[in-house]
Amino acid sequence: QQQVKQSPQSLIVQKGGISIINCAYENTAFDYFPWYQQFPGKGPALLIAIRPDVSEKKEGRFTISFNKSAKQFSLHIMDSQPGDSATYFCAASMAGANNLFFGTGTRLTVIP
Amino acid sequence: GAGVSQSPSNKVTEKGKDVELRCDPISGHTALYWYRQRLGQGLEFLIYFQGNSAPDKSGLPSDRFSAERTGESVSTLTIQRTQQEDSAVYLCASSLVGGGNTEAFFGQGTRLTVV
Repeated sequence: QQQVKQSPQSLIVQKGGISIINCAYENTAFDYFPWYQQFPGKGPALLIAIRPDVSEKKEGRFTISFNKSAKQFSLHIMDSQPGDSATYFCAASMAGANNLFFGTGTRLTVIP
Repeated sequence: GAGVSQSPSNKVTEKGKDVELRCDPISGHTALYWYRQRLGQGLEFLIYFQGNSAPDKSGLPSDRFSAERTGESVSTLTIQRTQQEDSAVYLCASSLVGGGNTEAFFGQGTRLTVV
C-alpha cells in the first residue's frame, strides 16, 4: 500500500521553465514532508522540507506548497536549469515513526 | 567520515548465494536506516537502528533478510539465499537523532544484481 502517491512519473521542462511535481497522502498523522533529490549513482539528498503549520516554504528556486485540507503537497522549481535534471522523491513521516514513507519518484529532465 | 559510506558499490551474485552489504554511518549519528530501491520505484523501508534500542525490523520482506549494527557504528545487511527479486539498490542512511521526521543522510547505495 503506497502511503504517498507521486506524479508525474517523468517530466520534461525547457530551461527557464517551471517544474511542478505533486504528491498526495492519506494519513492525517503525517507532520513532516521532505523532498529528496537524487542524481544517477548517488543517494538521495534532502532538498527542502515542510511541516503542516505553514502552507508554503521557499528556498531559492525551490518552493513547497502544502494543502492540508486536500492532503496534497507539491514541489515547484522556478527557472529550471539542466543541472536540476534528477529524480525527485516526496516523502512523509510523523512523530513516533521510525522511517520515511516515500513516493515513487519523478524523473525530471530539463532541456537547454 | 564526511558522509555515509557503503560497500561494495556494486555486487553481482548468483541466485541462492548469501550476500553481505556494509554501511558506515556519519560519525556521531545515533540512528541508522536501510532502504531498498527497486528500479522505477520509491524507497522501501527495511530496518531502523537507534542507539542500543531493539531495532525496528518491520520492513524486512522475509526471514532471508537480517541486519546488525555494532553500537552506533557500522551496520551490515545480510541477504541469505538470494533471489532474482532481491535485485535492487540498497541504501543506507543515518541521522543525528532518530525518527522518520528528522533529516536523513543517504549513502550512494549498493547495487545488487542476482543472476
